[in-house]
Amino acid sequence: DQQVKQNSPSLSVQEGRISILNCDYTNSMFDYFLWYKKYPAEGPTFLISISSIKDKNEDGRFTVFLNKSAKHLSLHIVPSQPGDSAVYFCAASVNYGQNFVFGPGTRLSVLP
Amino acid sequence: DAMVIQNPRYQVTQFGKPVTLSCSQTLNHNVMYWYQQKSSQAPKLLFHYYDKDFNNEADTPDNFQSRRPNTSFCFLDIRSPGLGDAAMYLCATSRPTGTDTQYFGPGTRLTVL
Repeated sequence: DQQVKQNSPSLSVQEGRISILNCDYTNSMFDYFLWYKKYPAEGPTFLISISSIKDKNEDGRFTVFLNKSAKHLSLHIVPSQPGDSAVYFCAASVNYGQNFVFGPGTRLSVLP
Repeated sequence: DAMVIQNPRYQVTQFGKPVTLSCSQTLNHNVMYWYQQKSSQAPKLLFHYYDKDFNNEADTPDNFQSRRPNTSFCFLDIRSPGLGDAAMYLCATSRPTGTDTQYFGPGTRLTVL
């Protein structure tokens, strides 16, 4: 029973274009969401977060959008760079807690 | 550099032979976590420590135990590894506030023969 879903296991995008990674969740109690990026042979590293009181958070080339009614969030990377090629995990928690539930990840490949 | 270190990076054990994975941190964070990640699946939280307080996830098998002798170190003990326990084990740390990010180590890949 996956509470956090990332239905696209992989995504390929041309350098300079927009990458859109999607995440859906089933638990309406989730109120804090994060995206992590993971390179091979390294642990996940924090990328960007959003709380349920917002519907958008931006940090440089990275923007996360939250649609609470649809229980959906997305990560936009503009413009995409080859160094963005990694696995991206979506994670969510309840009551801004630290017990995060992770999605299975989406592997992004940015082609030069 | 402050970081989360996991040793060993690769561990091979035999079916039923106890194994210990270790994690250390130089971030002085109160909270330490152990996750299990099987191939192409989401990292799954096994348990976490808030200082010395141990918090076990409800569905973590009894075969998995943990020790935290001090702030810097945390160990994952698998008492009788089965073939299904082969996975990447990730350690993470954080400060106690909910909005603080977790810092992950590189993981230990466990193979069970």
